[in-house]
Amino acid sequence: KNEVEQSPQNLTAQEGEFITINCSYSVGISALHWLQQHPGGGIVSLFMLSSGKKKHGRLIATINIQEKHSSLHITASHPRDSAVYICSKAAGNKLTFGGGTRVLVKP
Amino acid sequence: DVKVTQSSRYLVKRTGEKVFLECVQDMDHENMFWYRQDPGLGLRLIYFSYDVKMKEKGDIPEGYSVSREKKERFSLILESASTNQTSMYLCASSRTGTTEAFFGQGTRLTVV
Repeated sequence: KNEVEQSPQNLTAQEGEFITINCSYSVGISALHWLQQHPGGGIVSLFMLSSGKKKHGRLIATINIQEKHSSLHITASHPRDSAVYICSKAAGNKLTFGGGTRVLVKP
Repeated sequence: DVKVTQSSRYLVKRTGEKVFLECVQDMDHENMFWYRQDPGLGLRLIYFSYDVKMKEKGDIPEGYSVSREKKERFSLILESASTNQTSMYLCASSRTGTTEAFFGQGTRLTVV
């Protein structure tokens, strides 16, 4: 079993829909990261969380430490949100990654 | 603007060749990482380095070696490339004491 599990693996939405991606991890963490990878490969960091909730524009990330679970929400989704979203847990300097969620937002 | 730069976006090599993938960061970060990314398997850590000339094996180091002679540069070496090393390779760096990593654009390596 992977230390970091994401669901769903693939998600298709219509423009404007609310999107939720889930991430569960099996052991304790120092921080949890949400990353975005566009076609072409480059990865950018969206959020780093150790508790509670963070918001940036239309993106919201939450984490529940007791339940070892985090969610990434995209409100009013747009075709430019189409990307792979990756959850990653940090323990010390080491990051362990989920398999990613491929999101396609159709106009 | 912070930057992690990988030397090639696309690379095609023959089986048995020695392959060098180079990564340079301009943020004076102590930590540097090499990952490979494969469909269905996500990102897996090959090697990392937390200081010049220091290296640690990651989860899948077999068939790879690394070199860190200068703080800003971390090289991944495939001593004798094999077809099962066809993959996307990503370099990242981070500052000691933080977990936020900055990634390069990736090198898509095909071994034929």
